[in-house]
Amino acid sequence: GAVVSQHPSRVICKSGTSVKIECRSLDFQATTMFWYRQFPKQSLMLMATSNEGSKATYEQGVEKDKFLINHASLTLSTLTVTSAHPEDSSFYICSARAGGASGELFFGEGSRLTVL
Amino acid sequence: AQSVTQLDSQVPVFEEAPVELRCNYSSSVSVYLFWYVQYPNQGLQLLLKYLSGSTLVKSINGFEAEFNKSQTSFHLRKPSVHISDTAEYFCAVSVGAAGNKLTFGGGTRVLVKP
Repeated sequence: GAVVSQHPSRVICKSGTSVKIECRSLDFQATTMFWYRQFPKQSLMLMATSNEGSKATYEQGVEKDKFLINHASLTLSTLTVTSAHPEDSSFYICSARAGGASGELFFGEGSRLTVL
Repeated sequence: AQSVTQLDSQVPVFEEAPVELRCNYSSSVSVYLFWYVQYPNQGLQLLLKYLSGSTLVKSINGFEAEFNKSQTSFHLRKPSVHISDTAEYFCAVSVGAAGNKLTFGGGTRVLVKP
């Protein structure tokens, strides 16, 4: 099946620094990727929809200046958490859509961010 | 806007016993329905989906779910669970197209006991 890879799988950073998380579709092109956030023992909350070559669409309540999303190619989307704080510690999961609007979604393995 | 409710946050079950995970949704338009499984510290894996056609859908590892439009439900069942089925299960919906953004339920943690 299709593979979506996230890197890094775990990252620890100091408060105030920025962290970049990559989401790659390894064997298909993805014009659309989604970024989710998952708190411990909770569900996934959609943060933003990332479209190749255009600005991301953020969900209500998500700070676009804090969570920068770049979808520069058909196989790569990046999420940068800027000026990270301990409350940004979470599990971040991306999903990539294979094909058009009816395409299947494939999820990455997730990236666990811990901000000290 | 649509919403998804998973009524049980945790379901303990003995090995080889049946299990049912309940999922109800709310939407003013037609939806596409999904069940995902998440193992600890991992991403999500698609278990099964309902897009159209037969309301009973099955996975390769023994799970099945039935779409009930009148009850707006998509409950997941397995007649005999294994220890390896211990995981978190998420019900999700999308609207407009199957590949649109997903709205997830709160998740149900299944703990299979020997």
